[in-house]
Amino acid sequence: DTAVSQTPKYLVTQMGNDKSIKCEQNLGHDTMYWYKQDSKKFLKIMFSYNNKELIINETVPNRFSPKSPDKAHLNLHINSLELGDSAVYFCASSREGGSVAGGGYTFGSGTRLTVV
Amino acid sequence: DAKTTQPPSMDCAEGRAANLPCNHSTISGNEYVYWYRQIHSQGPQYIIHGLKNNETNEMASLIITEDRKSSTLILPHATLRDTAVYYCIVNSGGSNYKLTFGKGTLLTVNP
Repeated sequence: DTAVSQTPKYLVTQMGNDKSIKCEQNLGHDTMYWYKQDSKKFLKIMFSYNNKELIINETVPNRFSPKSPDKAHLNLHINSLELGDSAVYFCASSREGGSVAGGGYTFGSGTRLTVV
Repeated sequence: DAKTTQPPSMDCAEGRAANLPCNHSTISGNEYVYWYRQIHSQGPQYIIHGLKNNETNEMASLIITEDRKSSTLILPHATLRDTAVYYCIVNSGGSNYKLTFGKGTLLTVNP
Protein backbone atom coordinates (compact mmCIF):
# COMPACT_ATOMS: atom_id res chain seq x y z
CA ASP A 1 0.00 0.00 0.00
CA THR A 2 1.33 3.42 -0.92
CA ALA A 3 1.57 5.60 2.19
CA VAL A 4 0.92 8.95 0.47
CA SER A 5 -0.64 8.68 -2.96
CA GLN A 6 -1.31 11.46 -5.43
CA THR A 7 -3.33 11.44 -8.60
CA PRO A 8 -2.74 12.09 -11.36
CA LYS A 9 0.98 11.55 -11.75
CA TYR A 10 1.09 13.67 -14.89
CA LEU A 11 -1.22 16.48 -15.93
CA VAL A 12 -0.97 18.47 -19.15
CA THR A 13 -3.51 21.21 -19.64
CA GLN A 14 -4.08 24.50 -21.41
CA MET A 15 -3.83 27.94 -19.89
CA GLY A 16 -7.04 29.11 -18.34
CA ASN A 17 -8.30 25.65 -17.43
CA ASP A 18 -9.24 24.51 -13.93
CA LYS A 19 -7.71 21.30 -12.59
CA SER A 20 -7.51 19.30 -9.38
CA ILE A 21 -4.86 17.10 -7.82
CA LYS A 22 -5.88 14.57 -5.20
CA CYS A 23 -3.89 13.29 -2.26
CA GLU A 24 -4.60 10.53 0.21
CA GLN A 25 -2.55 9.18 3.08
CA ASN A 26 -3.11 5.91 4.94
CA LEU A 27 -0.62 6.54 7.75
CA GLY A 28 -3.09 7.92 10.26
CA HIS A 29 -1.27 11.27 10.21
CA ASP A 30 -3.11 14.40 11.32
CA THR A 31 -1.18 16.96 9.26
CA MET A 32 -0.99 17.21 5.48
CA TYR A 33 0.88 19.54 3.17
CA TRP A 34 1.25 20.69 -0.39
CA TYR A 35 4.70 21.58 -1.71
CA LYS A 36 5.66 23.00 -5.09
CA GLN A 37 8.96 22.21 -6.84
CA ASP A 38 9.68 24.54 -9.72
CA SER A 39 12.00 24.13 -12.68
CA LYS A 40 14.96 25.27 -10.59
CA LYS A 41 14.21 22.39 -8.22
CA PHE A 42 13.40 24.55 -5.20
CA LEU A 43 10.88 22.87 -2.90
CA LYS A 44 8.50 25.35 -1.29
CA ILE A 45 5.68 24.87 1.16
CA MET A 46 2.30 26.01 -0.13
CA PHE A 47 -0.22 24.86 2.49
CA SER A 48 -0.38 22.96 5.77
CA TYR A 49 -3.54 21.43 7.18
CA ASN A 50 -3.96 19.94 10.62
CA ASN A 51 -7.08 17.92 11.34
CA LYS A 52 -8.75 19.47 8.29
CA GLU A 53 -7.97 23.02 9.36
CA LEU A 54 -5.72 25.35 7.39
CA ILE A 55 -2.61 26.19 9.39
CA ILE A 56 -0.24 27.68 6.82
CA ASN A 57 -0.94 29.46 3.55
CA GLU A 58 2.42 30.55 2.29
CA THR A 59 1.25 33.55 0.21
CA VAL A 60 -0.09 31.31 -2.50
CA PRO A 61 -2.36 33.01 -5.10
CA ASN A 62 -6.01 32.47 -4.33
CA ARG A 63 -6.38 30.60 -7.63
CA PHE A 64 -5.05 27.71 -5.54
CA SER A 65 -7.66 26.32 -3.18
CA PRO A 66 -6.87 23.34 -1.01
CA LYS A 67 -9.67 21.26 0.42
CA SER A 68 -9.45 18.68 3.17
CA PRO A 69 -12.64 16.62 3.41
CA ASP A 70 -11.11 14.51 6.18
CA LYS A 71 -7.76 13.96 7.88
CA ALA A 72 -6.66 11.43 5.27
CA HIS A 73 -7.26 13.62 2.21
CA LEU A 74 -5.96 16.96 1.00
CA ASN A 75 -6.88 17.96 -2.52
CA LEU A 76 -5.56 20.92 -4.47
CA HIS A 77 -7.78 22.77 -6.93
CA ILE A 78 -6.23 25.29 -9.28
CA ASN A 79 -8.33 27.80 -11.21
CA SER A 80 -7.36 29.68 -14.35
CA LEU A 81 -4.08 27.88 -14.82
CA GLU A 82 -1.08 29.95 -15.91
CA LEU A 83 2.18 28.97 -17.57
CA GLY A 84 4.02 29.71 -14.35
CA ASP A 85 2.03 27.07 -12.52
CA SER A 86 3.98 24.39 -14.38
CA ALA A 87 5.86 22.48 -11.68
CA VAL A 88 5.89 19.27 -9.72
CA TYR A 89 3.46 19.33 -6.81
CA PHE A 90 4.15 17.11 -3.82
CA CYS A 91 1.72 16.12 -1.15
CA ALA A 92 3.10 15.13 2.27
CA SER A 93 1.85 14.14 5.68
CA SER A 94 3.18 13.98 9.22
CA ARG A 95 2.02 13.59 12.78
CA GLU A 96 1.67 16.52 15.16
CA GLY A 97 2.61 19.18 12.65
CA GLY A 98 5.98 17.61 12.00
CA SER A 99 7.15 17.75 15.59
CA VAL A 100 10.14 15.62 16.45
CA ALA A 101 7.91 13.45 18.61
CA GLY A 102 5.67 12.85 15.61
CA GLY A 103 8.44 11.60 13.39
CA GLY A 104 9.40 12.67 9.91
CA TYR A 105 7.37 13.76 6.93
CA THR A 106 6.24 11.27 4.31
CA PHE A 107 5.99 12.60 0.78
CA GLY A 108 4.02 11.40 -2.19
CA SER A 109 5.66 10.74 -5.54
CA GLY A 110 4.52 14.03 -7.04
CA THR A 111 2.25 15.33 -9.78
CA ARG A 112 3.98 16.89 -12.76
CA LEU A 113 1.76 19.69 -14.01
CA THR A 114 2.50 21.18 -17.42
CA VAL A 115 0.50 24.17 -18.57
CA VAL A 116 0.68 24.87 -22.31
CA ASP B 1 14.53 28.62 11.42
CA ALA B 2 18.31 28.56 11.29
CA LYS B 3 19.92 28.59 7.88
CA THR B 4 22.03 25.75 6.58
CA THR B 5 24.92 25.71 4.13
CA GLN B 6 25.77 22.64 2.06
CA PRO B 7 28.15 22.08 -0.84
CA PRO B 8 26.20 22.03 -4.11
CA SER B 9 27.61 18.70 -5.24
CA MET B 10 29.79 15.78 -4.20
CA ASP B 11 31.01 12.56 -5.74
CA CYS B 12 31.54 9.22 -4.08
CA ALA B 13 32.73 5.84 -5.30
CA GLU B 14 30.34 2.94 -4.98
CA GLY B 15 30.98 0.94 -1.82
CA ARG B 16 32.80 3.77 -0.08
CA ALA B 17 31.46 5.95 2.70
CA ALA B 18 29.77 9.18 1.65
CA ASN B 19 30.23 12.03 4.12
CA LEU B 20 27.91 14.97 3.51
CA PRO B 21 28.65 18.13 5.50
CA CYS B 22 26.23 20.79 6.66
CA ASN B 23 26.89 24.07 8.44
CA HIS B 24 24.23 25.51 10.71
CA SER B 25 26.13 28.05 12.80
CA THR B 26 22.99 29.94 13.90
CA ILE B 27 21.20 26.87 15.25
CA SER B 28 19.42 27.51 18.53
CA GLY B 29 19.12 25.22 21.53
CA ASN B 30 15.71 23.75 20.71
CA GLU B 31 16.40 23.13 17.04
CA TYR B 32 17.01 19.71 15.56
CA VAL B 33 19.01 18.76 12.48
CA TYR B 34 17.02 16.76 9.95
CA TRP B 35 18.24 15.09 6.77
CA TYR B 36 16.06 14.25 3.81
CA ARG B 37 16.98 13.12 0.33
CA GLN B 38 15.28 13.32 -3.03
CA ILE B 39 16.05 10.72 -5.63
CA HIS B 40 15.40 11.92 -9.15
CA SER B 41 11.68 12.26 -9.97
CA GLN B 42 10.60 11.06 -6.52
CA GLY B 43 9.32 12.79 -3.43
CA PRO B 44 11.73 13.66 -0.60
CA GLN B 45 12.48 10.85 1.83
CA TYR B 46 13.22 11.23 5.54
CA ILE B 47 16.64 9.86 6.53
CA ILE B 48 17.51 10.80 10.10
CA HIS B 49 17.40 13.57 12.67
CA GLY B 50 19.28 14.54 15.84
CA LEU B 51 19.57 17.19 18.54
CA LYS B 52 23.07 16.91 19.96
CA ASN B 53 23.97 13.25 20.22
CA ASN B 54 25.17 11.22 17.30
CA GLU B 55 22.43 9.10 15.77
CA THR B 56 22.40 5.97 13.65
CA ASN B 57 19.66 4.11 11.88
CA GLU B 58 19.45 1.57 9.09
CA MET B 59 19.99 4.23 6.46
CA ALA B 60 22.72 6.49 7.81
CA SER B 61 24.62 7.99 10.71
CA LEU B 62 24.43 11.60 11.83
CA ILE B 63 27.40 13.19 13.54
CA ILE B 64 26.75 16.56 15.21
CA THR B 65 29.68 18.62 16.49
CA GLU B 66 29.79 19.46 20.16
CA ASP B 67 29.01 23.12 19.51
CA ARG B 68 26.16 21.99 17.19
CA LYS B 69 27.25 24.40 14.50
CA SER B 70 27.80 21.70 11.93
CA SER B 71 26.92 18.11 11.21
CA THR B 72 27.83 15.29 8.84
CA LEU B 73 25.55 12.70 7.33
CA ILE B 74 27.36 9.45 6.70
CA LEU B 75 26.19 6.77 4.26
CA PRO B 76 28.56 3.97 5.26
CA HIS B 77 28.56 2.00 2.00
CA ALA B 78 27.18 4.14 -0.81
CA THR B 79 25.40 2.41 -3.67
CA LEU B 80 24.31 3.75 -7.05
CA ARG B 81 20.77 4.01 -5.65
CA ASP B 82 22.02 6.60 -3.14
CA THR B 83 22.55 9.14 -5.93
CA ALA B 84 20.20 11.94 -4.90
CA VAL B 85 19.94 15.49 -3.60
CA TYR B 86 20.48 15.50 0.15
CA TYR B 87 18.87 18.25 2.23
CA CYS B 88 20.04 19.31 5.67
CA ILE B 89 17.23 21.14 7.49
CA VAL B 90 17.16 22.78 10.89
CA ASN B 91 13.77 22.87 12.59
CA SER B 92 12.50 23.25 16.11
CA GLY B 93 11.29 20.10 17.84
CA GLY B 94 7.75 21.42 18.13
CA SER B 95 4.93 21.51 15.61
CA ASN B 96 6.15 23.77 12.82
CA TYR B 97 3.72 22.68 10.14
CA LYS B 98 6.42 23.11 7.49
CA LEU B 99 9.88 22.06 6.42
CA THR B 100 12.00 24.68 4.72
CA PHE B 101 14.21 23.13 2.06
CA GLY B 102 17.43 24.72 0.85
CA LYS B 103 19.33 23.82 -2.29
CA GLY B 104 20.85 20.65 -0.86
CA THR B 105 23.84 18.63 -2.05
CA LEU B 106 23.68 16.53 -5.19
CA LEU B 107 25.51 13.33 -4.30
CA THR B 108 26.58 11.28 -7.29
CA VAL B 109 27.72 7.75 -6.55
CA ASN B 110 29.98 6.48 -9.31
CA PRO B 111 30.57 2.83 -10.24
